[in-house]
Amino acid sequence: QVFLVQSGAEVKKPGASVKVSCEASGYIFSNFGIQWVRQAPGQSLEWMGWIHGGSGDTEYSQKFQDRLTVTRAASTAYMELTSLRSEDTAVYYCASDARSFLGVPYFDYWGRGTLVTVSS
Amino acid sequence: DIQMTQSPSSLSASVGDTVTITCRASQIIDKFVNWYQHISGRAPRLLIYATSDSRSGVPSRFSGSGSGTYFTLTINSLQPEDFATYYCQQTYSTPWTFGQGTKVDIK
Repeated sequence: QVFLVQSGAEVKKPGASVKVSCEASGYIFSNFGIQWVRQAPGQSLEWMGWIHGGSGDTEYSQKFQDRLTVTRAASTAYMELTSLRSEDTAVYYCASDARSFLGVPYFDYWGRGTLVTVSS
Repeated sequence: DIQMTQSPSSLSASVGDTVTITCRASQIIDKFVNWYQHISGRAPRLLIYATSDSRSGVPSRFSGSGSGTYFTLTINSLQPEDFATYYCQQTYSTPWTFGQGTKVDIK
């Protein structure tokens, strides 16, 4: 059974950085990617970026290109967001990805989310 | 970026009803659409991928269809555990984008 266990809630001041972890188990981590998605209060889901568990290749949404770093070590992925502002207050999710027979990517399993609150 | 316009934003339904949620993409995205169910406080759950493929373990009352720019999620015979928010997602090109969500609540 696949599990994605995320680190606990964080409270940060504007301008600070936050690093959220996502520990995967139940599948071969190096064969798949880990996606990062956030949901601000009252908003929809927003894709931030991803990392391949094996190669370490990354891709970021242009919106977060200059503030986001996604890394991995063993079977854990990390998402670090810098220069935090109040608008970054959100629940941050990791998700493992997969592809259909025809190559359509989808987010297969999700973590339960990490609440990051940015407040002075 | 590809915009996913989802409708309705909310709907009220009764147990046993059939509901349909639609998602329109701002450009042709072939069959690169997935659907997720989200209950507040829980992890989002994949229901349908590649427009119409059901994820293993998902009840057969959930189905997806569409192609090009127009996609639908249908829930037949709504059950109490189905009251949640549903999101479409395109994975045709990055940045992957989601619809605004449809909240299904009890009438």
